[in-house]
Amino acid sequence: KQEVTQIPAALSVPEGENLVLNCSFTDSAIYNLQWFRQDPGKGLTSLLLIQSSQREQTSGRLNASLDKSSGRSTLYIAASQPGDSATYLCAVSGSARQLTFGSGTQLTVLP
Amino acid sequence: NAGVTQTPKFQVLKTGQSMTLQCAQDMNHEYMSWYRQDPGMGLRLIHYSVGAGITDQGEVPNGYNVSRSTTEDFPLRLLSAAPSQTSVYFCASSYPGTDRITFGSGTRLTVV
Repeated sequence: KQEVTQIPAALSVPEGENLVLNCSFTDSAIYNLQWFRQDPGKGLTSLLLIQSSQREQTSGRLNASLDKSSGRSTLYIAASQPGDSATYLCAVSGSARQLTFGSGTQLTVLP
Repeated sequence: NAGVTQTPKFQVLKTGQSMTLQCAQDMNHEYMSWYRQDPGMGLRLIHYSVGAGITDQGEVPNGYNVSRSTTEDFPLRLLSAAPSQTSVYFCASSYPGTDRITFGSGTRLTVV
């Protein structure tokens, strides 16, 4: 059974800092890995998708890496802003695109 | 607007009642799925479908039924609601070619 762990569970940083969120998974036989953002009381927004054959993806200030052999992914956020405050969820995909999620990292960026 | 539409947004049920959570998408996505999210936890897969007429169980299927008679719709049925089913339910869909997954805005269900 696939298990996904995210560390830390919560993180508070001052505005402008660069930060790294961590995700690990137990079964390396994944189809892809995705990072999502969830604002309080809202649905999920897809941030980055990394196919199993890829090593990283970038979008603006966000960079996600994938090391499938070690079962790890990181989400790097550069020059954090208060608007980045949200919960960030990591999920790995099986062959039918069913997702297994971590429990998330709650990020607070202080002005 | 194109996307995943969930209804209702909020629902309160009494223990033992049944109901159907509706999910519809207009993007011609083959893959659809239902997740539940409990406080402090990530989303857990209830049921999923890879196409019309095909469904399968996820991690927490007990107490829920699904069917997929059309590509567009994937309703989730609670057979006999229990307080343990109090949660936020999300429906999602994706297309095999892109793998981008689109989530609905969720249904917040309370069972009393």
